[in-house]
Amino acid sequence: GQNIDQPTEMTATEGAIVQINCTYQTSGFNGLFWYQQHAGEAPTFLSYNVLDGLEEKGRFSSFLSRSKGYSYLLLKELQMKDSASYLCAVGTNSNYQLIWGAGTKLIIKP
Amino acid sequence: EPEVTQTPSHQVTQMGQEVILRCVPISNHLYFYWYRQILGQKVEFLVSFYNNEISEKSEIFDDQFSVERPDGSNFTLKIRSTKLEDSAMYFCASRADLGMNTEAFFGQGTRLTVV
Repeated sequence: GQNIDQPTEMTATEGAIVQINCTYQTSGFNGLFWYQQHAGEAPTFLSYNVLDGLEEKGRFSSFLSRSKGYSYLLLKELQMKDSASYLCAVGTNSNYQLIWGAGTKLIIKP
Repeated sequence: EPEVTQTPSHQVTQMGQEVILRCVPISNHLYFYWYRQILGQKVEFLVSFYNNEISEKSEIFDDQFSVERPDGSNFTLKIRSTKLEDSAMYFCASRADLGMNTEAFFGQGTRLTVV
């Protein structure tokens, strides 16, 4: 079967760093996406990893280990506006569809 | 910046009625998707569409659902006889191609409430 696991909720402090983990088991793999979703809004693209290693994009970084079926999203210098759900999604062999995790709700406290 | 647009933003309908959700994908994109998200739950894939036909569909996308690209710009999702459990946010998305790191761009969604 296809399975993507993320923590349901995390809390962090403004200005701090937080790491959101994602593990996956899918029938194929064509890359892993991270999306941000504010309540009641559409997901917006953050990052994409297809090779092992770290991809850095400003305050956000994403890491992938294909052998472990594992990724994380690292958010630095947290701001209140970073309070949102963070969705991990995997492109499978067909790549027509993305398999989505349930999302991690990130709560930022002052 | 090009964007995916969806109309209406909200729709309330009575159980058993037909609804049509409309989407205008980004103009040079080739792959189109519908997803839904029941309140508080994960995003779920419904269907993908390419070259004027369905490429893949999930178990959710049963005979009550259909998609159409009636002209060069619109991409619609029709639910023939709505059920209470169809209440959800419906997101349309489009991708330029299926190449590596090609992201899906999402519309702002249509919140469907079936009463």
